[in-house]
Amino acid sequence: GENVEQHPSTLSVQEGDSAVIKCTYSDSASNYFPWYKQELGKGPQLIIDIRSNVGEKKDQRIAVTLNKTAKHFSLHITETQPEDSAVYFCAATTVGGSYIPTFGRGTSLIVHP
Amino acid sequence: EAGVTQFPSHSVIEKGQTVTLRCDPISGHDNLYWYRRVMGKEIKFLLHFVKESKQDESGMPNNRFLAERTGGTYSTLKVQPAELEDSGVYFCASSQASLADTQYFGPGTRLTVL
Repeated sequence: GENVEQHPSTLSVQEGDSAVIKCTYSDSASNYFPWYKQELGKGPQLIIDIRSNVGEKKDQRIAVTLNKTAKHFSLHITETQPEDSAVYFCAATTVGGSYIPTFGRGTSLIVHP
Repeated sequence: EAGVTQFPSHSVIEKGQTVTLRCDPISGHDNLYWYRRVMGKEIKFLLHFVKESKQDESGMPNNRFLAERTGGTYSTLKVQPAELEDSGVYFCASSQASLADTQYFGPGTRLTVL
């Protein structure tokens, strides 16, 4: 089955800095990679996703890149703000298959004002 | 539109007791999923309902876990008897008709087994 590794487990940055979270996956059949943000007391919420036919996707201050050959994908947050503080999860799945995502272990991002 | 709701938000029970978690999906969402996150680890899939039918229960840890979705609306997840390793946060998510649709997660139930 699929295995997703996520690093780092914790990330502390100053407001305004950039933050990068990296994930690797094992199953070359995976073709859909969502990222979730979990704020305190809430469930994970989808913030951005990327499909295997695209190398990069951007949405305002967040972007995701995908390297299919190396089987890794990354989340980039620029100009971080305190409200970006949360736990971020990457996931990998196969659209057209079971579509049950395999999640990484999560990254706790802390943005210091 | 109301989101996915879960009850209770926290539950503390002793080993050997029974606990029932409830999930109310977004109205009209046929797909309902249960996940669990043990502290510091990944969110793991437990099972998937399509309406009232279990589509995939490959993630259920053992037969101490029983999930139901009578009438295809809300779902319950019962743990009987609970063991220490069942502690964690149980998430429910729902999505519309297509499996490719975005899954909307509830806030989770934090279960502590002492």
